[in-house]
Amino acid sequence: AQSVTQLDSQVPVFEEAPVELRCNYSSSVSVYLFWYVQYPNQGLQLLLKYLSGSTLVKGINGFEAEFNKSQTSFHLRKPSVHISDTAEYFCAVTPFEAVGSNYKLTFGKGTLLTVNP
Amino acid sequence: DAGVTQSPTHLIKTRGQQVTLRCSPKSGHDTVSWYQQALGQGPQFIFQYYEEEERQRGNFPDRFSGHQFPNYSSELNVNALLLGDSALYLCASSLAWKPIYEQYFGPGTRLTVT
Repeated sequence: AQSVTQLDSQVPVFEEAPVELRCNYSSSVSVYLFWYVQYPNQGLQLLLKYLSGSTLVKGINGFEAEFNKSQTSFHLRKPSVHISDTAEYFCAVTPFEAVGSNYKLTFGKGTLLTVNP
Repeated sequence: DAGVTQSPTHLIKTRGQQVTLRCSPKSGHDTVSWYQQALGQGPQFIFQYYEEEERQRGNFPDRFSGHQFPNYSSELNVNALLLGDSALYLCASSLAWKPIYEQYFGPGTRLTVT
């Protein structure tokens, strides 16, 4: 079984400041990792994913994340945030062998990023 | 392409009642998954339907049941509603042979149980 811990439930920042949203996971098998964003009254949208290869992955809207296997972490970063980045962000995992079989995702509890002017 | 649509948008029910939520998948998609997102929590997997059958299920009681129709649309039914069933219910659609991260989420149905 897998579990995901998002270490901060809320992160307030000022516009144009850098931000890091933290995610740690636990799994007895290798996993693929994802970050999703949920804007108010909207469904989840995939921001980025780590499947293999380079541990630094880039996603949409200027976000990037780094996979650290030894620390079982997958932190999300953005060097300069905008007001429009205000949303809930979810880290998620799925087992290695399951990704081709449309297996379920296991999500963290989410981090509310609030960007203030 | 309308993407994944869900109805209704909001719903208020009383404890003990039954509710049906509906989902239309993105055009061409054949697999539908349902998630429950309680306030302050991440989405939790309820079940997944493919070829009109439940293919996998999360840790939810039998009060939660579903159905998939020949046109791939799906319903989520919850019987004997409890206050704890209040949540945002998300539907996601995908192609069975594609990886899970290529699923598309709908905007959700917010269920309030009083």
